[in-house]
Amino acid sequence: DSGVTQTPKHLITATGQRVTLRCSPRSGDLSVYWYQQSLDQGLQFLIHYYNGEERAKGNILERFSAQQFPDLHSELNLSSLELGDSALYFCASSVGVMNTEAFFGQGTRLTVV
Amino acid sequence: GENVEQHPSTLSVQEGDSAVIKCTYSDSASNYFPWYKQELGKRPQLIIDIRSNVGEKKDQRIAVTLNKTAKHFSLHITETQPEDSAVYFCAASKIGTYKYIFGTGTRLKVLA
Repeated sequence: DSGVTQTPKHLITATGQRVTLRCSPRSGDLSVYWYQQSLDQGLQFLIHYYNGEERAKGNILERFSAQQFPDLHSELNLSSLELGDSALYFCASSVGVMNTEAFFGQGTRLTVV
Repeated sequence: GENVEQHPSTLSVQEGDSAVIKCTYSDSASNYFPWYKQELGKRPQLIIDIRSNVGEKKDQRIAVTLNKTAKHFSLHITETQPEDSAVYFCAASKIGTYKYIFGTGTRLKVLA
């Protein structure tokens, strides 16, 4: 158990819908990262938050948005879902900003039908 | 922008042999290089990391080497075992960019 909690574990939804993925980082970790992993693909960096502030964006679509709340949990919002958005979405947390181990959650498997 | 290339994409070795996975990074200011192992259906987990002030680091059967001049780093697994079979990801990061960029992954199969 990495200490990073992601909910839900599985999500099945229809095209055009909107979903929210939730991540609770390890106690004491201020950084939260979101990654998308499509089938047999690598880890695509989406976005990074540190202590409530957005610090970096990667290949995140405009239909996707995220935020980190004062209690440091984070949510990734995916809207106008398309079949190609089906993937495993990982959240990771670390103590600081970069240069330290990132601890991954178990991921949320999103299936868009 | 930052980019990390990883080779090979797949690697099959006989049990007991060594495996080497190589990564090249584009940003010369990168200074932290972790390696993660992802078993099937599970989350990535750190197995070893190295910082730019060190050229080599070992942990039992696993070692990582860093060549800052050439901007590449490698993962070495000796005496491979079936439980080493997984996807391995390298990553590179540097202070100030807040990005943690992963390579494309290497699927390692250790044949018994």
